[in-house]
Parts: sequence; C-alpha cells; structure tokens
Amino acid sequence: AQTVTQSQPEMSVQEAETVTLSCTYDTSENNYYLFWYKQPPSRQMILVIRQEAYKQQNATENRFSVNFQKAAKSFSLKISDSQLGDTAMYFCAFPSAGGGSQGNLIFGKGTKLSVKP
Amino acid sequence: DAGVIQSPRHEVTEMGQEVTLRCKPISGHNSLFWYRQTMMRGLELLIYFNNNVPIDDSGMPEDRFSAKMPNASFSTLKIQPSEPRDSAVYFCASRGTGGSNQPQHFGDGTRLSIL
Repeated sequence: AQTVTQSQPEMSVQEAETVTLSCTYDTSENNYYLFWYKQPPSRQMILVIRQEAYKQQNATENRFSVNFQKAAKSFSLKISDSQLGDTAMYFCAFPSAGGGSQGNLIFGKGTKLSVKP
Repeated sequence: DAGVIQSPRHEVTEMGQEVTLRCKPISGHNSLFWYRQTMMRGLELLIYFNNNVPIDDSGMPEDRFSAKMPNASFSTLKIQPSEPRDSAVYFCASRGTGGSNQPQHFGDGTRLSIL
C-alpha cells in the first residue's frame, strides 16, 4: 500500500532562519509527482511546490525548495528566510495511482510550523 | 481565473436536518474531489469524480452521505440526516486533465457545525 509519513507533528523556527520539514513515502511506482501543500490559519489549502520523480534536479519556488531523495523515498521541504506568514500546517502529498488518469492524492498527517518573531 | 468556489462558507444546523454543500470547480478541470478535515482524523477523501462520473466513493462514511455531479461545473455533497459527529471542514478540490500528477486546487472549505 502507498503511504505518506510526516514524522514531525510540530516545529518552530525563528523569523529569518531556515527550517526543513520531512516527508517519507512508500510506493512501487517509478514515475510520479510529489506535492507540498500549506494550510494557514485561514484554512485555505495552497499548493507550495511540486517535484517530478524522474527529474534529479530539486524543485525550487522562491524561498521554498525540496530535497528529493528518490532511492530513500524522502521528500523534505526547506523554507529559507522564514517569515511570519509561513506559519501554517504543511502537508506532503503523493498520487495514489502513481500518476494515472484516475487517482487521488494521499496526504500525510501534516506538520504544524510556527514562525516566531 | 476564478478558483474553486464552495458555498456556504459556514453552516450551522441542528442534528437531523439535511445539509447540502456546493462546489463549482475551475473551468476546464475534469476531476473533482470532496474531502473532510477534522482534528482527530486529519484530511480524508470522501469521494471523487472523473468527467462527472464517481470513481471512488469508498471514503463516504455511510448512507447518510451522498454526492452528485450533474455537470462539469457543479457538484453537491448532501448529508441527510445530519449528526453532531459530521461537524468538520469540508473541502472541494478540482484537477485539470493530465491525471493524478497534476496538482489539486482547493476551495476555501465549508465549516459545518451540527448542534
């Protein structure tokens, strides 16, 4: 069965510092995408970043980047220069069908990140 | 472009009443998902549609829950009769063509409280 595990229920970081949120997953698929979503207190679910498994280069979106280790099935999110607005729940997600036309996302339990001034 | 639109934003009703949640997906998207989020159980998929056809409804808790997608631009999630344990935030999400490697785009959710 495909699973997504986020082992850090809560984390905190000082403003302007860097923080890394971990995510591991289990799959037998070879070609797939991985996603990080952010849910601030306003409760919106916002796509942060997407990584293609067959690309060796780690995805980057401004202050957000991933450390993708395919062999280890690890997909961590690094937030640089943390800002107060980064305070949110962060969810790692993985397609249940390995990228087929049908299939939903499997979400981790989430990591609650608090950025402190 | 407009995102996924859900209504109502908040709903408070008494147990036993019928509740209908509504969702308008992003135009051109062909997959639609209903999720429920609670503190205890996190984010759970209830049902999803592909090209208006229900593909997987194994997450629907029981017969009190039903979902329809009569056309590509509208879906409803209905709870009848409602119970206090149905209190949660319900999200609708849509996804474009290209399969599950495309990101899902979420609405703002409906906070449902059953008294």
